[in-house]
Amino acid sequence: EAQVTQNPRYLITVTGKKLTVTCSQNMNHEYMSWYRQDPGLGLRQIYYSMNVEVTDKGDVPEGYKVSRKEKRNFPLILESPSPNQTSLYFCASSLRSNYGYTFGSGTRLTVV
Amino acid sequence: EDQVTQSPEALRLQEGESSSLNCSYTVSGLRGLFWYRQDPGKGPEFLFTLYSAGEEKEKERLKATLTKKESFLHITAPKPEDSATYLCAVQAIQASGGSYIPTFGRGTSLIVHP
Repeated sequence: EAQVTQNPRYLITVTGKKLTVTCSQNMNHEYMSWYRQDPGLGLRQIYYSMNVEVTDKGDVPEGYKVSRKEKRNFPLILESPSPNQTSLYFCASSLRSNYGYTFGSGTRLTVV
Repeated sequence: EDQVTQSPEALRLQEGESSSLNCSYTVSGLRGLFWYRQDPGKGPEFLFTLYSAGEEKEKERLKATLTKKESFLHITAPKPEDSATYLCAVQAIQASGGSYIPTFGRGTSLIVHP
């Protein structure tokens, strides 16, 4: 089944404790991105990648890192999480940047 | 700055009562307009991409249309299972040839009562 897989689905952590949210797609898509979704603000792009070793900032990149060492994987790293990073996070992929995205099921992160 | 505004914010319909959702946008040049459906607690599900004014696409009870300033998602004879939040996103042509960050609207929450 064609899909984007994120892990974990739920995560509660403490301020400052580094964490990684994994994302993997099995569709050989070139384009991958990370979004956060907050009530009243909608979906905002954090980082995106147009191919292996090619990443760039989205609208809200502060406090996040990404890497794209393999085509299928695009992990999101929070080096020192803070409470304002509490949110619902989605990974998405598409064959081309102007095609529709396939989204993962989401990761609900709470930073206390 | 690219802007996407969806209206109404919320819509309640009776089963079988057709209606339309609106997505108005302001971009310097449109590269693509996307419609998604999102169920509570789940990731958005891709519905349609529209690339140029006049284009239309259909899927079951949904039909998306595009003009130079707005897009409509028409829902014909909706059923309770059509209840969801519908998101519109716009991707602009970048003069610099750089990034293609899509801008999402805040969505329309649709509830269809049996």
